[in-house]
Amino acid sequence: AQTVTQSQPEMSVQEAETVTLSCTYDTSENNYYLFWYKQPPSRQMILVIRQEAYKQQNATENRFSVNFQKAAKSFSLKISDSQLGDTAMYFCAFMKRIDMRFGAGTRLTVKP
Amino acid sequence: ETGVTQTPRHLVMGMTNKKSLKCEQHLGHNAMYWYKQSAKKPLELMFVYNFKEQTENNSVPSRFSPECPNSSHLFLHLHTLQPEDSALYLCASSHEGGLTDTQYFGPGTRLTVL
Repeated sequence: AQTVTQSQPEMSVQEAETVTLSCTYDTSENNYYLFWYKQPPSRQMILVIRQEAYKQQNATENRFSVNFQKAAKSFSLKISDSQLGDTAMYFCAFMKRIDMRFGAGTRLTVKP
Repeated sequence: ETGVTQTPRHLVMGMTNKKSLKCEQHLGHNAMYWYKQSAKKPLELMFVYNFKEQTENNSVPSRFSPECPNSSHLFLHLHTLQPEDSALYLCASSHEGGLTDTQYFGPGTRLTVL
């Protein structure tokens, strides 16, 4: 079974600074997808970024980028120029076919 | 944020009640999902429907009964629940439920079982 581990339950960062959220996963599969989802307080979960395992190039979406290390089974999220609106729970997720597994989440607080 | 809607947003029920959660997606997707989000635990995938057919059931207790009458609507029927079933229940949808799909989530129903 695939498992996803987020080792940082809570993190904080000053506005405009950079923060990196960690995620590791365990799988014997070779082809899969990885996601970071964001769940702001009292709001619904939205996709931040996704990475195809067969692509070596790290995905980037504006201020969000990932460091995907397939051999190490690591998938960290870097948020640059942090904004107050980035305050949320961040979930790392692994998907193979229809099965999606989530990590326990990291609560990120951006401080003014 | 209105692509996937869920009703009700909050629900309080006793252990002997019967209630239903509703999810509707307006994205033209063919796959829909129910997740359970408990405090301090990872999201748990409960059910998957792909083209209205149930394809996954991750050992969910029978007191949870899903129904997918068409590709736009998904229900979760609840009966004789336990207090430990209190959680946020999230619905999601994706285009075809395949490897390349991104799931889009609804706002969730906050369920409290007394």
